[in-house]
This record gives sequence, structure tokens and C-alpha cells, in this order.
Amino acid sequence: DAKTTQPTSMDCAEGRAANLPCNHSTISGNEYVYWYRQIHSQGPQYIIHGLKNNETNEMASLIITEDRKSSTLILPHATLRDTAVYYCIVRVKGRGGSARQLTFGSGTQLTVLP
Amino acid sequence: EAQVTQNPRYLITVTGKKLTVTCSQNMNHEYMSWYRQDPGLGLRQIYYSMNVEVTDKGDVPEGYKVSRKEKRNFPLILESPSPNQTSLYFCASSPTIRENTEAFFGQGTRLTVV
Repeated sequence: DAKTTQPTSMDCAEGRAANLPCNHSTISGNEYVYWYRQIHSQGPQYIIHGLKNNETNEMASLIITEDRKSSTLILPHATLRDTAVYYCIVRVKGRGGSARQLTFGSGTQLTVLP
Repeated sequence: EAQVTQNPRYLITVTGKKLTVTCSQNMNHEYMSWYRQDPGLGLRQIYYSMNVEVTDKGDVPEGYKVSRKEKRNFPLILESPSPNQTSLYFCASSPTIRENTEAFFGQGTRLTVV
């Protein structure tokens, strides 16, 4: 699976959009981009995933660049409860449900400030 | 409510005393796995199971056993715990190994071996 690079930490004001970047320059055509988050010592929580088109769900939006070498997770109106470590993970398409093996890097600690 | 349930949430034990951490999911998922999380090392997969009676080693299986006698349950067994198994443990499940699907994680079990 491709390696990802994320900033170690970011701050965001409550109510503002949080934009979390992820670089995955070695991504191949059959790899998905997944985002999970982990609120302090709780189990990781799935947020969203995509292949090449932008995706949106009730939690967030995922913007993937045209060359697929980077992506941005957008939390449109961050709240204090969004403070967590956010993990960007690249996994091969078709390798199954992502519980198969998720390689969690260090992630980005997002702190939402009041 | 769809969930993965681990028990116990917290456990302090002594070296060499066998213990079992239970994991149960109510979503009829085929795939289940166990991770441990340690500071600076992230989440690492211990064992996984693709279906009933099918289990395999992950990245750090030494000192652990698992079983999958029923689809919903995937217990983690430490036959002779040692202090280096002090960690935060997570169980995860996902619907199938053939699709890119989200993983559902339990709330974690914090184990201390003294």
C-alpha cells in the first residue's frame, strides 16, 4: 500500500472549515484513499473514502487531486467534538473490507479551538 | 445499533496469568481483526479472521492466540501475558473481504500486565 504524509498537527477555530491535507505521491491506480479518525484512546472511526472523484457524506468531504497524488479531508463546520487524530490511509482496491489490514501512520492531531 | 463490543474495557493482570479479551459484532461481518496500539508505534494488526474457522497472523502475533468458532465472536487470548503486552487493544470488523468497505472498531481494551 502507498505511503502517506500528513502534517503532525493543525488547529481550527470552532465553526470554521477544517482542511486536512494528505500526500500520497506513490499512489497507484487501483488504490483508494481512506480517512479515519481517533478521538482520544477511543476506537478509530471511519469517515470517508474515495478513488478519484470527490466524495461527500454526512461527516465530511474528500477532495482528491486530478493526479491523485494528494487529497484533502474537509470538515465543513468543525466542532469541539471533532478534536481527534485523523489518519489518511491508502489501500488497494478490491483488497477487501478495510478491517483486513489498515496501516495507520502517525496521522494529524486536529485541535478545534473554542 | 451496529457495533463491535469488547470486554473488558480495562484490565490489570499479573505476568503469566492467562486472560481472554472478548470481541463481538452484531453486523454479520465476515472479517474481524485485532490491533494493538502503543505510543510511537501506531496501530499494529495482531491477528485477523476472514470467516468462521479461518484465522491468520498479522504483523505482531507473538504471544497471542485467537479463535473464530462463531461468526460474531473473535476472542483474543493471552496464554501467558508479559509486561510487553501492556497496550491498548482494538477489535475491528468489516462486511466482506472482497469489497472496499469501512471497518468498525470496538471501544478498546486497556490492558496492563504487571
